[in-house]
Amino acid sequence: AQTVTQSQPEMSVQEAETVTLSCTYDTSESNYYLFWYKQPPSRQMILVIRQEAYKQQNATENRFSVNFQKAAKSFSLKISDSQLGDTAMYFCACLSGTYKYIFGTGTRLKVLA
Amino acid sequence: KAGVTQTPRYLIKTRGQQVTLSCSPISGHRSVSWYQQTPGQGLQFLFEYFSETQRNKGNFPGRFSGRQFSNSRSEMNVSTLELGDSALYLCASSYDYKPKNIQYFGAGTRLSVL
Repeated sequence: AQTVTQSQPEMSVQEAETVTLSCTYDTSESNYYLFWYKQPPSRQMILVIRQEAYKQQNATENRFSVNFQKAAKSFSLKISDSQLGDTAMYFCACLSGTYKYIFGTGTRLKVLA
Repeated sequence: KAGVTQTPRYLIKTRGQQVTLSCSPISGHRSVSWYQQTPGQGLQFLFEYFSETQRNKGNFPGRFSGRQFSNSRSEMNVSTLELGDSALYLCASSYDYKPKNIQYFGAGTRLSVL
């Protein structure tokens, strides 16, 4: 069975600093996709970044980057130069051949002024 | 382009009742997925529809059902409501079910069962 684990229920970071959110996953599929979604207090979930498992290069989107360690089944999200607007719940998700998204339980990130 | 629209935003029901939630996907999107979000469980996949056919189903009891119409709008129904069904129900749409296509989420329907 596919699983996604986020071991940090809550985190906080000072504005302008860097924070890393952890995610580990387990899947028996050889080809899969990994995602980080952000859910601000207004509740609309939006995609932050995604990684295709067969691509070795880590994905980057502006201040957001991932550290994808395929052998360790780890997929962490790094947020650089944190901004107040980054305050949200962050969900890690995995999509494999069954085409079912499996989400982690989320990490609540608070950016402090 | 309008985003994913879910109605209603809030619902209060009592145990034993049934409820229907609606989701209008982004124009041109043919895949609609439903998720249940609770504080302890995160997001759990309910089911996915593509071109009016259920393609995938999560591990939920038969009280949870859904359908998709020819215009891609989708409804989700929960019969014989239980207290544990209180949750935020999220709908997501994408062009089709292939992973390369991004899922866009609606704001959700908050269901409270008393």
